[in-house]
Amino acid sequence: EAQVTQNPRYLITVTGKKLTVTCSQNMNHEYMSWYRQDPGLGLRQIYYSMNVEVTDKGDVPEGYKVSRKEKRNFPLILESPSPNQTSLYFCASSPRQETNTGELFFGEGSRLTVL
Amino acid sequence: GDSVTQMEGPVTLSEEAFLTINCTYTATGYPSLFWYVQYPGEGLQLLLKATKADDKGSNKGFEATYRKETTSFHLEKGSVQVSDSAVYFCALSDGYSTLTFGKGTMLLVSP
Repeated sequence: EAQVTQNPRYLITVTGKKLTVTCSQNMNHEYMSWYRQDPGLGLRQIYYSMNVEVTDKGDVPEGYKVSRKEKRNFPLILESPSPNQTSLYFCASSPRQETNTGELFFGEGSRLTVL
Repeated sequence: GDSVTQMEGPVTLSEEAFLTINCTYTATGYPSLFWYVQYPGEGLQLLLKATKADDKGSNKGFEATYRKETTSFHLEKGSVQVSDSAVYFCALSDGYSTLTFGKGTMLLVSP
């Protein structure tokens, strides 16, 4: 089944404890991206990757890192999480590098709470 | 920069009522426009899209027309069902690297 898989789905952690949210897609997609969803703010892009080894900042990259060593994986790293990073995170992928075709395939989301 | 503005929700309707969710955008160039839907506990799914002015996107009884003159892409459905209850997001593409989403509009449909 074609899908985008995120792990963990739920996580409660404490300030400063490094964590990684993994994202994997099995559709051989070129483009991958991370979004965070917050009440009243909608979805905001954190980072995106047009291809392997190519990543770039989105609208809210502060406090996050990403890497794209393989086509299928695009982990999101919080080196020193803070409470303002409490959010619902979505990974998404697209078959083309350009986004004008618009079809992003989303994972089910990872709900992160930082105490 | 690019932006998308949606009507605030929640929108509450009775089953079989007519639905309109307004969406307007600001963008340079000629963006592509999209509606995504998010059911409770799930990720977003593409509902419909339009890639140029006057295009109409449609899917599952939902429709939206790309109006360049009014920079709008309003979502409509003639007769909503309880199963349509979800959050709806309007979005635009810069044609390169980014989809910009609106804040979302929650739709609640009662029997």
